[in-house]
Order: sequence, then structure tokens, then C-alpha cells
Amino acid sequence: DGGITQSPKYLFRKEGQNVTLSCEQNLNHDAMYWYRQDPGQGLRLIYYSQIVNDFQKGDIAEGYSVSREKKESFPLTVTSAQKNPTAFYLCASRDQLTGATGGYTFGSGTRLTVV
Amino acid sequence: KNQVEQSPQSLIILEGKNCTLQCNYTVSPFSNLRWYKQDTGRGPVSLTIMTFSENTKSNGRYTATLDADTKQSSLHITASQLSDSASYICVVSPRSGGSYIPTFGRGTSLIVHP
Repeated sequence: DGGITQSPKYLFRKEGQNVTLSCEQNLNHDAMYWYRQDPGQGLRLIYYSQIVNDFQKGDIAEGYSVSREKKESFPLTVTSAQKNPTAFYLCASRDQLTGATGGYTFGSGTRLTVV
Repeated sequence: KNQVEQSPQSLIILEGKNCTLQCNYTVSPFSNLRWYKQDTGRGPVSLTIMTFSENTKSNGRYTATLDADTKQSSLHITASQLSDSASYICVVSPRSGGSYIPTFGRGTSLIVHP
């Protein structure tokens, strides 16, 4: 089955620690995205990538970093510079060939908690 | 600034009842509007998509409407079931920009009681 897989499902981070969230897709989608979701707020874009070895900052990129070395993978690192990292993180992918009408396929999310 | 506003913020209904969720947007130029369903602790799943020329779209017990002139959409759920308990998110995509980054509403949290 084609899909998008995020791991781990739950992640705990100590103060001052960097952690990496995994996102893998086998849909052959060119574009991949990372969103952060907080209670009562809409999804906010952290980073996105439309092609391998290229990515752009979203609205809330500070304290986060990404890489896109392979089409299938788009890991997100939450650095110690991110002061309020506790949130639900969603990875998504999209077929760029569908243009504006192409919708997102989302992963199941990673819930990150600072302890 | 592109915005998507949803109402109500939360809604509680009894099983078997109908309900309607609202979405107002200011995204321009407009390409399409999607409604997503997000179960607790899961990623959103697309329910319907409507482009500028479409007024209504159904997916089983879910019916979405779009008025592109007033920039309003609604999602009507018929004969609600316990499994309809979820957050419903309105997402509007622009027609241009290359990256087609959509704007997300904050969602309406629906609880269906037996």
C-alpha cells in the first residue's frame, strides 16, 4: 500500500536536546511538508520541499531544520533553539503534477513532549 | 493576508442528528476548497474538494457546498454516527504561487453522543 509513515508516534525530549522526527513516503510525490499543530490552532507550516536537495522555510521555521537527500524521506530536526516544541507534528506529501488541485496525503503524526 | 475562519469552534450533537459546519475564506485568487476529517491523534483525511465552478460535492453522508461569490462553504453531515466525532478542517488553496501552499482553518471539533 502506498502511504506516508511518520515515526515515532510519541517522542519525549529533554531540555537542550535535539530530536529528529522521521517521515517516509512511497507515493512517488515530489513535494513534502512539515506542519505543527497546537490545540485550538490551525496547522502551521514549518518547512517544505518541492524537489530533492531543496527546501524552503515556512511560517514558523525558527528552531527547526530539515534535509531532503532522498525523494522518499524528509526528516525534521527540532533543535534546542525551539523554545516551545511540545506539539503534534504532521508530515504531508503532494503530487506536484496535479497542480493546485492536488491534495495532501498526511502521515499519522508525531506527538513531541518536552520533559 | 489569506485567512480561513471556521464556525462553530466546537459542536455536540446526538447520534442520528444532522449538523452543518461553516467556513469563510479570503484566499485569492482561489483554486479549490477541501474539507478534511481529523480523528484524534491522527493525520487529516480529505473528504471533499470543490473548485471555483462547483457548488456542491457529496461523499456519502457528507455534503459540502461552495459559494465562490461570498467566499463561503459549508459541510453538512447527515444522520450522524459516533464515528463522525472528529475535527473537521476547511483548507483553501490559491490558484497561483507555484508552491500552492494552502491556508488551513482552525477546525470545528464535533462530538457525537449516543
